[in-house]
Amino acid sequence: NAGVMQNPRHLVRRRGQEARLRCSPMKGHSHVYWYRQLPEEGLKFMVYLQKENIIDESGMPKERFSAEFPKEGPSILRIQQVVRGDSAAYFCASSPPDRVGETQYFGPGTRLLVL
Amino acid sequence: AQSVTQPDIHITVSEGASLELRCNYSYGATPYLFWYVQSPGQGLQLLLKYFSGDTLVQGIKGFEAEFKRSQSSFNLRKPSVHWSDAAEYFCAVGGGATNKLIFGTGTLLAVQP
Repeated sequence: NAGVMQNPRHLVRRRGQEARLRCSPMKGHSHVYWYRQLPEEGLKFMVYLQKENIIDESGMPKERFSAEFPKEGPSILRIQQVVRGDSAAYFCASSPPDRVGETQYFGPGTRLLVL
Repeated sequence: AQSVTQPDIHITVSEGASLELRCNYSYGATPYLFWYVQSPGQGLQLLLKYFSGDTLVQGIKGFEAEFKRSQSSFNLRKPSVHWSDAAEYFCAVGGGATNKLIFGTGTLLAVQP
């Protein structure tokens, strides 16, 4: 059973470009979480999605950031018009359905560098 | 407010010595508690978790943690540290309707030969 997959592992963008980060959850997992880790900080929750639904986006910046988890395919975190402050590691985690407190399994992360 | 505090930013121990990493939490409901480890440039690996029951939890790689409700703590311990344990360790609390995790700021562990 493959783990959580994220790609790309590293992404370099210039200010104003778009960044698109992908996450494929573990097989059988229908819950996806995105977290951001700024340099020298812990992980901060961004958004929680189930298939075709955003359940909790309380950690998402109000502008330029969006997330989706379509019926088919990976979850996508999209950052429009990136700025230098968006440079961070973005981690995706997945968990099985319908069990409160279930363990979240993390992917290797995408490290975004904005020039 | 819900929060996790890891008071030690950096810890250095000698190989073979014992280790204790501190974690305190503030959470309104019954907490689900986790310890994750992150090696440089890598993702997070689950070491152990506490949901309910026995307050002393055993994890992978010889780690254990004890949940103390009266102290709002979930400290991680290992009796004898190996050089390969050098990494950053994160304590997290989860639960509620969405089970989102709240992380501490991490403790960076260095192991001296």
